[in-house]
Amino acid sequence: AQSVTQLGSHVSVSEGALVLLRCNYSSSVPPYLFWYVQYPNQGLQLLLKYTTGATLVKGINGFEAEFKKSETSFHLTKPSAHMSDAAEYFCAVILNQGGKLIFGQGTELSVKP
Amino acid sequence: DAGVIQSPRHEVTEMGQEVTLRCKPISGHNSLFWYRQTMMRGLELLIYFNNNVPIDDSGMPEDRFSAKMPNASFSTLKIQPSEPRDSAVYFCASSLDRGFTEAFFGQGTRLTVV
Repeated sequence: AQSVTQLGSHVSVSEGALVLLRCNYSSSVPPYLFWYVQYPNQGLQLLLKYTTGATLVKGINGFEAEFKKSETSFHLTKPSAHMSDAAEYFCAVILNQGGKLIFGQGTELSVKP
Repeated sequence: DAGVIQSPRHEVTEMGQEVTLRCKPISGHNSLFWYRQTMMRGLELLIYFNNNVPIDDSGMPEDRFSAKMPNASFSTLKIQPSEPRDSAVYFCASSLDRGFTEAFFGQGTRLTVV
């Protein structure tokens, strides 16, 4: 069963435009949610995470995400895209206390000048 | 700390050969994850360890795959015999507190089986 779904395998925006990358999850217990970024030929690095508390989470490089329990969503946004944001972005969830970290299929972000 | 260290970075081998991928996690981290990344299947969790004990290996594709963590500073992923469909990038990641805070990834091993 798919636990994390990212809508859109490829998103293209113009420099300066809003970035919106979508993530929905399925979990019967309160999830821990993450966004990771992968630059070409590199490993993944953490952008931001939601565990408990404030539902709007701010991360590095101007990214933020909002946990919406009613929509089972954790979409990633950035008000103004920069060329350096071009990368692949992964939403991830930990499903249980055992710490099984599961990733979505990834969304490749392209930024046009 | 140097981060998670994987070796080799690239491996080309012939079908049928044994392949061993190595990982040194960040010192003090108690969880270790092995992932496989392909264009078709994305990033798949193969197995993860907590305190050197395998917790979940349900993602290991077949008996040809095995993973060990003999101590807190070293883990191996072995494929025997290797097949062309095993070609992928294999990532190791480690974390403190079972990944609830942050998982740190190595640079990956690009495996090509010809």
